Amino acid sequence: SSVLTQPPSVSVAPGETATITCGGDIIGIKTVHWYQQKPGQAPLLVIYYDSDRPSGIPERFSGSNSGDTATLTISGVEGGDEADYYCQVWDTSGDHSYVFGTGTKVTVL
Amino acid sequence: EVQLLESGGGLVQPGGSLRLSCAASGFTFSTHALNWVRQAPGKGLEWVSGISNFGETIFYADSVKGRFSISRDNSKNTVFLQLTSLRAEDTAMYFCAREGDGHVGTDSFEIWGQGTPVTVSS
Repeated sequence: SSVLTQPPSVSVAPGETATITCGGDIIGIKTVHWYQQKPGQAPLLVIYYDSDRPSGIPERFSGSNSGDTATLTISGVEGGDEADYYCQVWDTSGDHSYVFGTGTKVTVL
Repeated sequence: EVQLLESGGGLVQPGGSLRLSCAASGFTFSTHALNWVRQAPGKGLEWVSGISNFGETIFYADSVKGRFSISRDNSKNTVFLQLTSLRAEDTAMYFCAREGDGHVGTDSFEIWGQGTPVTVSS
């Protein structure tokens, strides 16, 4: 099955920028969604359709998608942003299925 | 308030069966596709299955194909996941999640439940 690769961890100081990548052959022209998950909680949608933000998600969260890599950027990181982040794509290359990225743990120093 | 509430999880022996339910409230259930996503302890998210708004289209992950079955009852605002031939590697928190429209694969998972735990062990 297809794989979406993310860096296992990203560390960033408060106020700085965290960049999380999501790479894989299936990214291509696919749209990518991003989820934040804090310990003991359900995932929360933070970016959909590559770069759109749901209501209630701070403008500090932004997304982009080019070539075979999608990127989630968190500007002016705050302590409350410490969480796991997952990208997601709908894969139509074989039996249709959703694929989640391997996940990135963001640590705020 | 838009809400999804899962139930039915528990401890089951290898080879056993379990039926999970996800009850929805606060929105028009029949206009949205629903999915099940699981997360093994300390691991990442794994999509399990999805069903379109009227149940005409269903997809499964290869890891559960032939063992799990998804269904929905729009009159009861509930989606189900029947788990059979359970294995230790099926141990996970099982979440249900709502897509933005009626088709599986066309939108993001904008609403999630809090999950129900499944443990497969003898």
